[in-house]
Amino acid sequence: KNEVEQSPQNLTAQEGEFITINCSYSVGISALHWLQQHPGGGIVSLFMLSSGKKKHGRLIATINIQEKHSSLHITASHPRDSAVYICAVSGTYKYIFGTGTRLKVLA
Amino acid sequence: SQTIHQWPATLVQPVGSPLSLECTVEGTSNPNLYWYRQAAGRGLQLLFYSVGIGQISSEVPQNLSASRPQDRQFILSSKKLLLSDSGFYLCARGVTDGYTFGSGTRLTVV
Repeated sequence: KNEVEQSPQNLTAQEGEFITINCSYSVGISALHWLQQHPGGGIVSLFMLSSGKKKHGRLIATINIQEKHSSLHITASHPRDSAVYICAVSGTYKYIFGTGTRLKVLA
Repeated sequence: SQTIHQWPATLVQPVGSPLSLECTVEGTSNPNLYWYRQAAGRGLQLLFYSVGIGQISSEVPQNLSASRPQDRQFILSSKKLLLSDSGFYLCARGVTDGYTFGSGTRLTVV
């Protein structure tokens, strides 16, 4: 069993839909990260959070430390949101990555 | 600026040839630096990390090595590439407010 599990692995949505991607982890962490990887491979850090909730534009990330669970929400999804979304947890020096959720938003 | 410069963007190398991927970073000194590999259809796998000049920790036994000759330079090398070394290689730096990635190198070993 992976230490960081994401669901779903693949997701197809229609433009405008509300999207939720889930991440569960089984190790102690200092922070959880949500990353976005575009088709060319480049990775952008979206959020780093250790408690509560963060919002940036149409993206919202939440974390429940007790339940070891985080969610990434995308409101009013758009085709340009199509990418792989990766959850990662960090300890002292190391990061453990989930395998990612491949999102495709159709126009 | 926490910019990471990584090159080349793509590379096709024959089996048995050497490899050198370079990563240089801007911004605060003494960053934690990382090399990750992403095989096709798989997640990111940590290969090496460095907390300072000359300090390298290896996460998985493999055909690769890493060096940090300068504070802002991190190099991934191999003496003889294997087919299984093909993948997408990312350099990253860890900072207290997040994680910055280079643009990656797509390596194909033929």
